[in-house]
Amino acid sequence: NAGVTQTPKFRILKIGQSMTLQCTQDMNHNYMYWYRQDPGMGLKLIYYSVGAGITDKGEVPNGYNVSRSTTEDFPLRLELAAPSQTSVYFCASSYLAPGQSSYGYTFGSGTRLTVV
Amino acid sequence: DAKTTQPNSMESNEEEPVHLPCNHSTISGTDYIHWYRQLPSQGPEYVIHGLTSNVNNRMASLAIAEDRKSSTLILHRATLRDAAVYYCILKTPPGEAGTALIFGKGTTLSVSS
Repeated sequence: NAGVTQTPKFRILKIGQSMTLQCTQDMNHNYMYWYRQDPGMGLKLIYYSVGAGITDKGEVPNGYNVSRSTTEDFPLRLELAAPSQTSVYFCASSYLAPGQSSYGYTFGSGTRLTVV
Repeated sequence: DAKTTQPNSMESNEEEPVHLPCNHSTISGTDYIHWYRQLPSQGPEYVIHGLTSNVNNRMASLAIAEDRKSSTLILHRATLRDAAVYYCILKTPPGEAGTALIFGKGTTLSVSS
């Protein structure tokens, strides 16, 4: 059981380049999330998804796009990378069972992105 | 989402109990109290959550005040591996506004041998 897998672990981008951060989970979780964490700060929510085909913005969505075509995958797309997007990106997932009101999240190990 | 207030940092000695406080005076009746921790260079890790009653699991205990305006995460015997940033987060149930965890800055716990 791999949990939440993020690739790549490290990446350096030049200003204006684009890339996709991959996230996949094998736990059949219905909810998935993308967060970013700047040095010395807490996590900020970028986007989240409550199921395949459904996504919504979080606290800091500008400069990012997501899609959720399958239950397992939730890629994060950066278009026109900027230095302000230098951060560590975490993907997470969770499962809400029928009748359940709250639940724990499982996080991936992160992608460290530097934009120069 | 209602906000939480935590001390920036705390220190503990190995094998001693640790009580990490969290104030959430504006908590609503349906907000769950979640605790996560983040070890250095890792993603956050779920610790425990509760609504009204105290909760115990293999990692920790959660003590919730009767008025729910504060809570305390209890690590019964701290180890060096417990050194991490601990986040106290209020979570609204799905279906209401704000379905995702919103993180603050948390409490940085240092453990000395």
